[in-house]
Amino acid sequence: GGIITQTPKFLIGQEGQKLTLKCQQNFNHDTMYWYRQDSGKGLRLIYYSITENDLQKGDLSEGYDASREKKSSFSLTVTSAQKNEMAVFLCASSMGTGDTEVFFGKGTRLTVV
Amino acid sequence: AQSVTQPDARVTVSEGASLQLRCKYSYFGTPYLFWYVQYPRQGLQLLLKYYPGDPVVQGVNGFEAEFSKSNSSFHLRKASVHWSDWAVYFCAVRVSGSFNKLTFGAGTRLAVCP
Repeated sequence: GGIITQTPKFLIGQEGQKLTLKCQQNFNHDTMYWYRQDSGKGLRLIYYSITENDLQKGDLSEGYDASREKKSSFSLTVTSAQKNEMAVFLCASSMGTGDTEVFFGKGTRLTVV
Repeated sequence: AQSVTQPDARVTVSEGASLQLRCKYSYFGTPYLFWYVQYPRQGLQLLLKYYPGDPVVQGVNGFEAEFSKSNSSFHLRKASVHWSDWAVYFCAVRVSGSFNKLTFGAGTRLAVCP
């Protein structure tokens, strides 16, 4: 088995601040994802990466940057935090891009004051 | 574009009672359907998945789901709920041939009463 580790678990930022969330996986998976979870809205895809140094925009990429410098890690940056924003960011990974199971981390809970 | 609707935001059942959580999908083509569960302060875990074939699929912990093309539904069922099933349940659809992008419903929060 493997594990997806997200840091930090909780992140409090100020309006306008640039904030970075980190994700590490030891599954040796090729594909990694960042989802945003808002209460009552399900999960929405922000960015994904099918291999090292690859980046693909999802449905919600505006306001975010991502970086995949190593196969095992995938970072997400909130370029300018919005006041009163509150959401959970979930990192995920899968072996490839076909019919393979997607595994999720426990999430980073963001609060912007 | 594909979409998933979970019409019940919250469901409360008594321990030992049966359970059905509803999921409706919208997609023209062959859907691949999933149910995920999120326990408190945890990530999502896969409960079960449907790939074209037998419409009833079995999952972990006694869960099963039934695919209905005519009703565009993929409802989740369990015969006897346990207190440990208290969680949020997400239905998701993946477009066949896509890179593995999942489209999620808003989730159903299940509470279990003693």
